[in-house]
Amino acid sequence: DAGITQSPRYKITETGRQVTLMCHQTWSHSYMFWYRQDLGHGLRLIYYSAAADITDKGEVPDGYVVSRSKTENFPLTLESATRSQTSVYFCASSETSGVYSFPSYNEQFFGPGTRLTVL
Amino acid sequence: QKEVEQDPGPLSVPEGAIVSLNCTYSNSAFQYFMWYRQYSRKGPELLMYTYSSGNKEDGRFTAQVDKSSKYISLFIRDSQPSDSATYLCAMGQTGANNLFFGTGTRLTVIP
Repeated sequence: DAGITQSPRYKITETGRQVTLMCHQTWSHSYMFWYRQDLGHGLRLIYYSAAADITDKGEVPDGYVVSRSKTENFPLTLESATRSQTSVYFCASSETSGVYSFPSYNEQFFGPGTRLTVL
Repeated sequence: QKEVEQDPGPLSVPEGAIVSLNCTYSNSAFQYFMWYRQYSRKGPELLMYTYSSGNKEDGRFTAQVDKSSKYISLFIRDSQPSDSATYLCAMGQTGANNLFFGTGTRLTVIP
């Protein structure tokens, strides 16, 4: 099915382990984003990518690594998981530029999320 | 101070009621204002989008932006049980790649 998918949907891991969350979109959207959602903080941007091999930091990038070798995939890696990284992670994609310029707005389409627990 | 403030609720209303959801913000450069709806265990989906000040209506939903007060609102008329969800406001500015989200308001419409 077309759209944006994330895997796994649920993950439990231990402190210090490496974890990779996968994101795949079938629209050939240029822009992709990773957010985390925590109670009391809402959605916060971790990293985003404007195209294959182009990535940039968001608001809360520490402890995370991203790559984008193909347009359709945007994996997020926690190199050494910590309890503070327990969260729900959402991937999103946008058709063209993430830069907003009047009057256009490029909607971000979100995946279903990955619920990560770090013990 | 957070860029965007939103009352987390929860808010519980009877079916048919008018619902008012609000956000305030501190960055006067914000020009794009969005409302996302998020059902339980799902990703957010765009509900309404407005640029700069003014009102926008779409069916039972009305979005209002008051830039002078740095205040945005979403009104839901004739609320339905299917409107039960978390509503997130989000804002962006020209030249920026990221959106700033509120914490979300959890709404329950009771049949």
